[in-house]
Amino acid sequence: TQLLEQSPQFLSIQEGENLTVYCNSSSVFSSLQWYRQEPGEGPVLLVTVVTGGEVKKLKRLTFQFGDARKDSSLHITAAQPGDTGLYLCAGGESWGKLQFGAGTQVVVTP
Amino acid sequence: GAVVSQHPSRVICKSGTSVKIECRSLDFQATTMFWYRQFPKQSLMLMATSNEGSKATYEQGVEKDKFLINHASLTLSTLTVTSAHPEDSSFYICSARYIHSYEQYFGPGTRLTVT
Repeated sequence: TQLLEQSPQFLSIQEGENLTVYCNSSSVFSSLQWYRQEPGEGPVLLVTVVTGGEVKKLKRLTFQFGDARKDSSLHITAAQPGDTGLYLCAGGESWGKLQFGAGTQVVVTP
Repeated sequence: GAVVSQHPSRVICKSGTSVKIECRSLDFQATTMFWYRQFPKQSLMLMATSNEGSKATYEQGVEKDKFLINHASLTLSTLTVTSAHPEDSSFYICSARYIHSYEQYFGPGTRLTVT
């Protein structure tokens, strides 16, 4: 099983600040997905990156896949309280399985 | 698009009974569905991979006789927790995947409490 390390585990910031979450592995993944999960709900897919070096933007969220397809980052600009949640990265393995990172709990206070 | 439902959303059962959880892909055909378990403040742990019309593949350490999975159609998979015990109490989440797709789309989860 390929391991995905996510950092930091917890992030508390004020509204308007920027934040970055990292997802690292020593192994290559065929794809990498980012999800956000709120308490008592299932994860919601934010983005999928497939190509090394790929950058995708979703409003104030910027996702980057490393050139070697072993790491990824999620950057949020001008965070808002609605961005609060558990952010999970997941690497695509064989048979369509996903290997999840431990998650980063983000709290944005007004 | 890509909506996945789960039923029930929460269930309380007595120790020794069995509970069935349904996972449906509402607007697409899912050749593969996955079942996860999540403990409080932790990430998702894959329990098994379910392919339509064939036996599920269980992850190491997951008892296949305790967690029965059936994937009878391209839109429905079920997880039955047999002879439930309090330690089986958890948040169970399913996901569904299009054929040849990278993404998995998740259901809203089922909170199981065994008393």
